[in-house]
Amino acid sequence: GALVYQYPRRTICKSGTSMRMECQAVGFQATSVAWYRQSPQKTFELIALSTVNSAIKYEQNFTQEKFPISHPNLSFSSMTVLNAYLEDRGLYLCGARTGGQNTLYFGAGTRLSVL
Amino acid sequence: GEKVEQHESTLSVREGDSAVINCTYTDTASSYFPWYKQEAGKGLHFVIDIRSNVDRKQSQRLIVLLDKKAKRFSLHITATQPEDSAIYFCAASLSNTGNYKYVFGAGTRLKVIA
Repeated sequence: GALVYQYPRRTICKSGTSMRMECQAVGFQATSVAWYRQSPQKTFELIALSTVNSAIKYEQNFTQEKFPISHPNLSFSSMTVLNAYLEDRGLYLCGARTGGQNTLYFGAGTRLSVL
Repeated sequence: GEKVEQHESTLSVREGDSAVINCTYTDTASSYFPWYKQEAGKGLHFVIDIRSNVDRKQSQRLIVLLDKKAKRFSLHITATQPEDSAIYFCAASLSNTGNYKYVFGAGTRLKVIA
């Protein structure tokens, strides 16, 4: 079946530093990857959509300069949170789908705490 | 853009009873509606979905209903069990394979009381 692994599961970084998180798809080809953030007490906000061999599309309020994403092949994506501050705390989820399918399969998330 | 409202923020039911979670959406172009379950401290687990070409879908104890006229869809969990306790999120999206995205509801915390 379709599985998505994210790591690290939890991370703590100092305010102003950066943190990279990774997403691995197993058992299917991750043609598209969506990165979401769930801030405390909130629902899921889309950060960006990435499709292999296409430009990454960022949502309003999220930029490549702050959340650079790499999606080099059909099984892997990474995202970095640059200059993390308190408002960047939350659970970051990677959802992946294969071409022609609608369903996103999510990893367990990377929980980011900022001190 | 699309907005998804999830009407029940919390829901408590007795074990064995049914639970119903309702969502509404605003964009008539939305045509794919997945549901996810989030257990404490974990990510999103896909549970069931429905496409706009049908108005009902069932998978074991889960039933999803879609009313396109009212722009409303609902998740029915029958014969609830304590392990159904979790936060459930509905979402809406376009189903074309171009630049789509999911818009999530705020979540419903379901508690099944034994």
